Amino acid sequence: GAVVSQHPSRVICKSGTSVKIECRSLDFQATTMFWYRQFPKQSLMLMATSNEGSKATYEQGVEKDKFLINHASLTLSTLTVTSAHPEDSSFYICSASTSGGLYNEQFFGPGTRLTVL
Amino acid sequence: AQSVAQPEDQVNVAEGNPLTVKCTYSVSGNPYLFWYVQYPNRGLQFLLKYITGDNLVKGSYGFEAEFNKSQTSFHLKKPSALVSDSALYFCAVRDLQAGNNRKLIWGLGTSLAVNP
Repeated sequence: GAVVSQHPSRVICKSGTSVKIECRSLDFQATTMFWYRQFPKQSLMLMATSNEGSKATYEQGVEKDKFLINHASLTLSTLTVTSAHPEDSSFYICSASTSGGLYNEQFFGPGTRLTVL
Repeated sequence: AQSVAQPEDQVNVAEGNPLTVKCTYSVSGNPYLFWYVQYPNRGLQFLLKYITGDNLVKGSYGFEAEFNKSQTSFHLKKPSALVSDSALYFCAVRDLQAGNNRKLIWGLGTSLAVNP
């Protein structure tokens, strides 16, 4: 149980284009989903927290107009990197947390490797 | 300010020996602590958590962690390391100032290498 999928696992795009990454909770309802960015050999950087049906809460320094997050259902959240540039190249990871309390662990997707040429 | 520290970037241990990956935290209030593991080219996996109760928490893959309130630590341990335990380990604490959004504060990670 508690499986989270991400699609695509790897994407290469040209500078200036937009890329959408999907995050799905396959066997549970995710009240809250998180989007992270991970640089090589570095820790996770939380980008935003999204609760189903409401606007995402972005961390300081993360451009909300560039990283569009939609959490339209309890099993799906999407991250769209708009007008991508080479500096956006990174490993993007989503996680999901079930409802029922503040102590539940997050379940992570396998990540999406974005390369912007 | 709330924070999590993993003082060691890298830990090397011989297979069969006990291993410890260190974590200390700073929060205002009761800590809710987590350990995650990231195997190469794979997503993070939950290992264990401390919410309340016994200070020694047992988790997946034979790992355990000891909560020490006086030392504000939550070190990850395993009695006998396996080569397959080689991975990146993250300690995290619930952000108690983040309201109801279940946000975590993450350590920088410790790379564990178990040598055969």
